[in-house]
Amino acid sequence: DTGVSQNPRHKITKRGQNVTFRCDPISEHNRLYWYRQTLGQGPEFLTYFQNEAQLEKSRLLSDRFSAERPKGSFSTLEIQRTEQGDSAMYLCATSDPDGKNIQYFGAGTRLSVL
Amino acid sequence: AQKITQTQPGMFVQEKEAVTLDCTYDTSDPSYGLFWYKQPSSGEMIFLIYQGSYDQQNATEGRYSLNFQKARKSANLVISASQLGDSAMYFCAMRGSRGGGSNYKLTFGKGTLLTVNP
Repeated sequence: DTGVSQNPRHKITKRGQNVTFRCDPISEHNRLYWYRQTLGQGPEFLTYFQNEAQLEKSRLLSDRFSAERPKGSFSTLEIQRTEQGDSAMYLCATSDPDGKNIQYFGAGTRLSVL
Repeated sequence: AQKITQTQPGMFVQEKEAVTLDCTYDTSDPSYGLFWYKQPSSGEMIFLIYQGSYDQQNATEGRYSLNFQKARKSANLVISASQLGDSAMYFCAMRGSRGGGSNYKLTFGKGTLLTVNP
């Protein structure tokens, strides 16, 4: 499979616990994005990497959220001290550096905070 | 700031007929890109079609075409010969000008749920 891979697909956790999601990009793509999608809404931008550099973070990304892309390949998104409001689908997308910048998405990680 | 508006929460179409999903946008960027994605119930966002703001012709990809009217700031998706497998949420999205990290992110509309009836 040469698409964007996200793990786990589903995560159920208790409020206050920490969770970490992983995204493996399409191999030749140097740009990686994280989005959050709540029920009935379109995805909302969280953060963006070009290679290993995190170039932008949304105001949605509170200090409980941290994202890394240590070697410019896979990325992780960690949420500390989860809250019920963090329940959402977390989507990862990657793109290559051409003019169109078409983003290809993974299947997402659905987080449920109890 | 960029904004995408999709005014149709839900649409119904008969199998084999064509359907148009509406999208209007607002931006102050001189150049931009417009995208349509399909999201089945499984959750994955599937890229369908792209239109650049300076492209002279409307984009087409198989049964998908994008009716781009720049002056009206609209980018409607036309699906021809609808199939049962087309039933899904459809999202319109845009990105701003290239040249900086903030201009690569996508801004999405709220989506339109398309149901294809047999």
